[in-house]
Amino acid sequence: DIQMTQSPSTLSASVGDRVTITCRASQSISSWLAWYQQKPGKAPRLLIYKASSLESGVPSRFRASGSGTEFTLTISSLQPDDFATYYCQQYYSYYNFGQGTKLEIK
Amino acid sequence: EVQLVESGGVLVQPGGSLRLSCAASGFTFSSFGMNWVRQAPGKGLEWVSYISTSSSTIYYADSVKGRFTISRDNAKNSLYLQMNSLRAEDTAVYYCARVNNGHTIDYFDCWGQGTLVTVSS
Repeated sequence: DIQMTQSPSTLSASVGDRVTITCRASQSISSWLAWYQQKPGKAPRLLIYKASSLESGVPSRFRASGSGTEFTLTISSLQPDDFATYYCQQYYSYYNFGQGTKLEIK
Repeated sequence: EVQLVESGGVLVQPGGSLRLSCAASGFTFSSFGMNWVRQAPGKGLEWVSYISTSSSTIYYADSVKGRFTISRDNAKNSLYLQMNSLRAEDTAVYYCARVNNGHTIDYFDCWGQGTLVTVSS
């Protein structure tokens, strides 16, 4: 089973800040990684697939990179709508999600 | 518009059974792999099960293997999850999610709104 570890678990930031979330896999997953955004009471929404490809309709302030075991999601200038919980997911071998990173307003 | 609508979530006693359904619309259901993902109250996402387009390939998380059965009816554009021997730890919102393609495991590009299953006496 591939373990996915996100850091930090909680992140406090302000509108306009640049923030980065890290996701580490317990073994190499090549670029088979996706990022999702989830707001309270809502279904997750796909942001990024194949480690760095932006899903259609997702703002360009969301950038992601990485391969192998270490991946990052960066939001370049936080907007009010971005405060949510973010999950990484590996799909190299079955599926596993990270534990989530809650992005809070400072 | 691509849409997934789950149903069937209720309060059930430990040891009981339940079948969840997911109705798909707005796309060719038979061309996409499908999954069930769950989220316990206040917790993160947990993948539960995957089924390929023709039902020839099925995977389960260890936590539900032997108790849950995923199936689909392409003629009815529907996905199902039969849940047996339910435990308190199965309490969660259950989401159905579409795989981006029909050929292999891939990321999830569309999710339903979820249905709540509560296992309690």
